[in-house]
Amino acid sequence: GAVVSQHPSWVICKSGTSVKIECRSLDFQATTMFWYRQFPKQSLMLMATSNEGSKATYEQGVEKDKFLINHASLTLSTLTVTSAHPEDSSFYICSALAGGPSETQYFGPGTRLLVL
Amino acid sequence: AQKITQTQPGMFVQEKEAVTLDCTYDTSDPSYGLFWYKQPSSGEMIFLIYQGSYDQQNATEGRYSLNFQKARKSANLVISASQLGDSAMYFCAMRGVNNAGNMLTFGGGTRLMVKP
Repeated sequence: GAVVSQHPSWVICKSGTSVKIECRSLDFQATTMFWYRQFPKQSLMLMATSNEGSKATYEQGVEKDKFLINHASLTLSTLTVTSAHPEDSSFYICSALAGGPSETQYFGPGTRLLVL
Repeated sequence: AQKITQTQPGMFVQEKEAVTLDCTYDTSDPSYGLFWYKQPSSGEMIFLIYQGSYDQQNATEGRYSLNFQKARKSANLVISASQLGDSAMYFCAMRGVNNAGNMLTFGGGTRLMVKP
């Protein structure tokens, strides 16, 4: 149980294009999902918290107009990197919050974005 | 503010031996949760084990156990009978609460390398 998928796993795009990444909880419903960014050899940095049916909450320093988040259903959250630039190249990984006393976050496999 | 510290950037262990990965934390919250995740080279974050701050016993999950010392604010991960497949990055994380709900704060990670 507690499987999270993420699509696509790899994206290579030209500078100026927009990229959409999907995060799905496959066998549970998640009212809360999270989006992280990870640079090489570094830890995960939380970008935003996505709550179903409401606006995402962004961490300090994360541009909400740059990184659009939509959480339209209990099993799907999307992250759109708008007008991507080379500095946006990174590993983006989502997680979904499972219920229960531990409130464990289960992670998707991640998306590697390379902007040329 | 919450803080997680992993002081070992890299660790070697001989196959079939046990290894301890250190994690110390700092928080003013009376209730919190501690997690360990494994990140192999593929990038996915795999949930390993959870310890609640009020749990009386140390958590165990198969070959993983958590040495929770609340007074010392440490939550070390012990892997018994190391296997080659255990080679990966390991992250300690603490659950806190941000404005949007639960969030995880990650340590810097420890790279574990299992020698045959």
